[in-house]
Amino acid sequence: DGGITQSPKYLFRKEGQNVTLSCEQNLNHDAMYWYRQDPGQGLRLIYYSQIVNDFQKGDIAEGYSVSREKKESFPLTVTSAQKNPTAFYLCASSFLTGETQYFGPGTRLLVL
Amino acid sequence: DAKTTQPPSMDCAEGRAANLPCNHSTISGNEYVYWYRQIHSQGPQYIIHGLKNNETNEMASLIITEDRKSSTLILPHATLRDTAVYYCIVEGSSGSARQLTFGSGTQLTVLP
Repeated sequence: DGGITQSPKYLFRKEGQNVTLSCEQNLNHDAMYWYRQDPGQGLRLIYYSQIVNDFQKGDIAEGYSVSREKKESFPLTVTSAQKNPTAFYLCASSFLTGETQYFGPGTRLLVL
Repeated sequence: DAKTTQPPSMDCAEGRAANLPCNHSTISGNEYVYWYRQIHSQGPQYIIHGLKNNETNEMASLIITEDRKSSTLILPHATLRDTAVYYCIVEGSSGSARQLTFGSGTQLTVLP
């Protein structure tokens, strides 16, 4: 089945710890995105990538890092510099010539 | 600034049509109207999009007014599974990756 997968579904972070959220797609999409959603709020863009080995900051990139070594994969690292990481993290992908973005199931990050 | 305005909540009886309005009075000529929905604790799901003409797919119909300043998403026979937050989004086409600006959306509750 084609689609976007995110893992894990739930992730717990200790103070001062970096954690990495996985996002994989087999839709042959060029662009991939990471959004953050806080309770009762809309989505805010963290990072996006249009092509392998290239990515751009979104509105709230501070405290996060990404890599795009493969077209299919766009992992997000939540660093210890992100002081309020508790949120629902959503990965999406799209073709560049079409703007419809397709979303994964999300990862809920909680701080211990 | 939000490009769209939606009512915060609506109810609909099961089996009846759900009509969700969206105002986008500042829409420009090359901007599309997109609809997504998000069921609690899941990733947003693409529903439909359009530019000028009315559109229909297996999930819903999209009616765009002639002046393009507003639109209505129609779920023809709402079921309990259609209970979700529905987002109306306006975005242009540029052939490059872009973020989707999610507002607060409309919480649709389908009642038995």
